[in-house]
Amino acid sequence: NAGVTQTPKFRILKIGQSMTLQCAQDMNHNYMYWYRQDPGMGLKLIYYSVGAGITDKGEVPNGYNVSRSTTEDFPLRLELAAPSQTSVYFCASSYSRSEKLFFGSGTQLSVL
Amino acid sequence: AQSVTQLDSQVPVFEEAPVELRCNYSSSVSVYLFWYVQYPNQGLQLLLKYLSGSTLVKGINGFEAEFNKSQTSFHLRKPSVHISDTAEYFCAVYTNAGKSTFGDGTTLTVKP
Repeated sequence: NAGVTQTPKFRILKIGQSMTLQCAQDMNHNYMYWYRQDPGMGLKLIYYSVGAGITDKGEVPNGYNVSRSTTEDFPLRLELAAPSQTSVYFCASSYSRSEKLFFGSGTQLSVL
Repeated sequence: AQSVTQLDSQVPVFEEAPVELRCNYSSSVSVYLFWYVQYPNQGLQLLLKYLSGSTLVKGINGFEAEFNKSQTSFHLRKPSVHISDTAEYFCAVYTNAGKSTFGDGTTLTVKP
């Protein structure tokens, strides 16, 4: 089973560029999440989705956008990259609120 | 709103010694409690979770945690650690609304 697949694994952006981080899961999970992890810090929730067509903001949504047109995919969009968005990004999914999260392997993003 | 405080950012311990990683939380609603482990350059893996019932929860790799409602704590313990337990450990809380909050992590370093 593939589980949660994130692409790309690494990316360097220039200030002001835009990009989309891809996330796909093949477990038919309703819940999907995007987190960022800064060095020495815990995970911060950016956006989450409880099902196709439904998204909501997390703790740190500014500078990001998401969409959930299908159950499988939950892309994260950075429109105008800023150095403050340099971080490691994790996508995760779960079947329900109380079930464990399955995490992708992460995307290391640097904005220079 | 909820918050999670992991009281120790770094915990060095010798091999075969016991260890406790402390986690306190605050929330105005009922929460589910989780401990995750992150090995170097990997995503998160679930160690254990508390949803309801017995306050002592056993997880993988010999870890256990005890939910203490009066002290709003969910400390993680292992009676005898191994070198391979060296990793970052995250405590997390989830609400029924699907939102999650992670602590900043505790780095466990097991020395020979």
